[in-house]
Amino acid sequence: SYELTQPLSVSVALGQTAKISCGGANLGSKNVHWYQLKPGQAPILVIYGDSKRPSGIPERFSGSNSGNTATLMITTTQAGDEADYYCQVWVGGTDLVFGTGTKVLVL
Amino acid sequence: QVQLVQSGAEVKKPGASVKVACKASGYTFTNYGIGWVRQAPGQGLESMGWISAWTGNTHYVQKFQDRVTMTTDASTNTAYMELRSLRSDDTAVYYCARLDDDDGLSWGQGTLVTVSS
Repeated sequence: SYELTQPLSVSVALGQTAKISCGGANLGSKNVHWYQLKPGQAPILVIYGDSKRPSGIPERFSGSNSGNTATLMITTTQAGDEADYYCQVWVGGTDLVFGTGTKVLVL
Repeated sequence: QVQLVQSGAEVKKPGASVKVACKASGYTFTNYGIGWVRQAPGQGLESMGWISAWTGNTHYVQKFQDRVTMTTDASTNTAYMELRSLRSDDTAVYYCARLDDDDGLSWGQGTLVTVSS
């Protein structure tokens, strides 16, 4: 089965840039979406189609996808960005696959 | 706008079944599939499978194949997920989501299912 691997955690100083990777075989050929999860809240889509931002998501959030790695970048990180982040792809038209999840800690 | 509203929290005993509802609005229900995803305490997101709201065809993750049934009712724009033979490790928040490979998932608010004797 297809697997997406993310780092367990990423620490970032307030106001600095956080980069979260998502690795998978030939990932660059797939649409990668990113979700933010906070305790007690529904997941929020922060990036879709590799690099597009939904309305209401700050420009500080950006995404890229090439080769075997997709990356979510959060610039000028704020305390409110502290959350779990998951990448997601659709594989073979049948399988909904999530990454292992990354906890972003804002120092 | 797309909105998915789920049924309320449930407490079940081991061996029982639970049925979670997910009512959709803001789009043509039969144009999209509905996926079901759960998150157990301290764990990541886990896909359980999905159903086409147009055909009713289902695709279940093998782990849940024998215990889950997903259905839809187009007359009320509602999707359902039933999980049987509940165990303590089924305690989780269960989410429904509208499937869209181009634009990503749109999520319900989640339903906490607690399995405890």
